[in-house]
Amino acid sequence: SQQGEEDPQALSIQEGENATMNCSYKTSINNLQWYRQNSGRGLVHLILIRSNEREKHSGRLRVTLDTSKKSSSLLITASRAADTASYFCATDAGSSASKIIFGSGTRLSIRP
Amino acid sequence: DAGITQSPRHKVTETGTPVTLRCHQTENHRYMYWYRQDPGHGLRLIHYSYGVKDTDKGEVSDGYSVSRSKTEDFLLTLESATSSQTSVYFCAISGSPTGELFFGEGSRLTVL
Repeated sequence: SQQGEEDPQALSIQEGENATMNCSYKTSINNLQWYRQNSGRGLVHLILIRSNEREKHSGRLRVTLDTSKKSSSLLITASRAADTASYFCATDAGSSASKIIFGSGTRLSIRP
Repeated sequence: DAGITQSPRHKVTETGTPVTLRCHQTENHRYMYWYRQDPGHGLRLIHYSYGVKDTDKGEVSDGYSVSRSKTEDFLLTLESATSSQTSVYFCAISGSPTGELFFGEGSRLTVL
């Protein structure tokens, strides 16, 4: 089974609202990353948070990491139509640091 | 954009035929990955490489083999394609073991 699992699987919100997606993982990690995928395209890296960090910001993105709960959240503030995409978390497999595993993703739709 | 090219981008083949997908990079990155993406499963790691001739299995490696004889190329081979291997295949590269991945545009494979 996959290392990371996102919740919810799908999310539909009004433009301007905030979107929150959650990721849970199973083993200890070095880093956790979030990626975005527009329909039919390759994934694009959004943000990386290290295991010794609790929160990180990048523009309208805010990521938190709780290693005790093995979970992370991605918050997108003031959503825009262009934020419509699928979002994935990715973790290394701890002892196999270069083995990067993805979750099943959250499909975000922004309504105008 | 990272210099990463996948070929072919689209392929239709018949069950039982061999298929090779190529990932070529111009970034001199050490780490290369092959993922498959199917509806409802997100991205699943097939094989990855941490150097020339150094490869390891991912989550769904059965039925697939890889080779990396030089830094810039990572080949994924389906020795005898099956319909369950119909998928979109993504190659990714990284300059560090737990760092940002750069993705190719994907190769859509249909096995009839």
